[in-house]
Amino acid sequence: GQQVMQIPQYQHVQEGEDFTTYCNSSTTLSNIQWYKQRPGGHPVFLIQLVKSGEVKKQKRLTFQFGEAKKNSSLHITATQTTDVGTYFCAWGAQKLVFGQGTRLTINP
Amino acid sequence: GAVVSQHPSRVICKSGTSVKIECRSLDFQATTMFWYRQFPKQSLMLMATSNEGSKATYEQGVEKDKFLINHASLTLSTLTVTSAHPEDSSFYICSASPWTGQETQYFGPGTRLLVL
Repeated sequence: GQQVMQIPQYQHVQEGEDFTTYCNSSTTLSNIQWYKQRPGGHPVFLIQLVKSGEVKKQKRLTFQFGEAKKNSSLHITATQTTDVGTYFCAWGAQKLVFGQGTRLTINP
Repeated sequence: GAVVSQHPSRVICKSGTSVKIECRSLDFQATTMFWYRQFPKQSLMLMATSNEGSKATYEQGVEKDKFLINHASLTLSTLTVTSAHPEDSSFYICSASPWTGQETQYFGPGTRLLVL
């Protein structure tokens, strides 16, 4: 069956450093979404990627969908303390399956 | 954007009692809502799909008689944890989408359940 791994599980950075989380699938994904969950909060939709090789940017966040639509990444440039939280990739048609998440902590 | 609310935000109950959690779409209608459970430091696990006017669809391993779902209207789905036990303590989150067939989900704020 389909297996999707999200790595790393944890990442601690100094404020101002960059951060990247990856989702890797054993099979082709029709789409991939990214969510952010602040500590104690609920997941908040960030973006959806659908096209092969797609790259989208939201200010300091860059999202990529691989050419084979099996990999995706979220990159944050120059992290700020407000970026703290857990970032999840998710996929599926209406019924979402979530990756394991990457918990980002930042040293101010 | 679309707003989904949940009530209550927190609940503490005794073992053996039942707890009802409400999920409402405030500014849109949702024929389908989803219920997730999240244990501390873990990912979200889909429990069931709530379908307005019909029976819910449960994921493998989720007991339908223990987690009763009712989707009585286009803006309200309820999850009742029956005969709750300490192992049911978790963060329960619902989601819905304003658009049929669209994958993007809007999540409620979640309900933290603690069973003593």
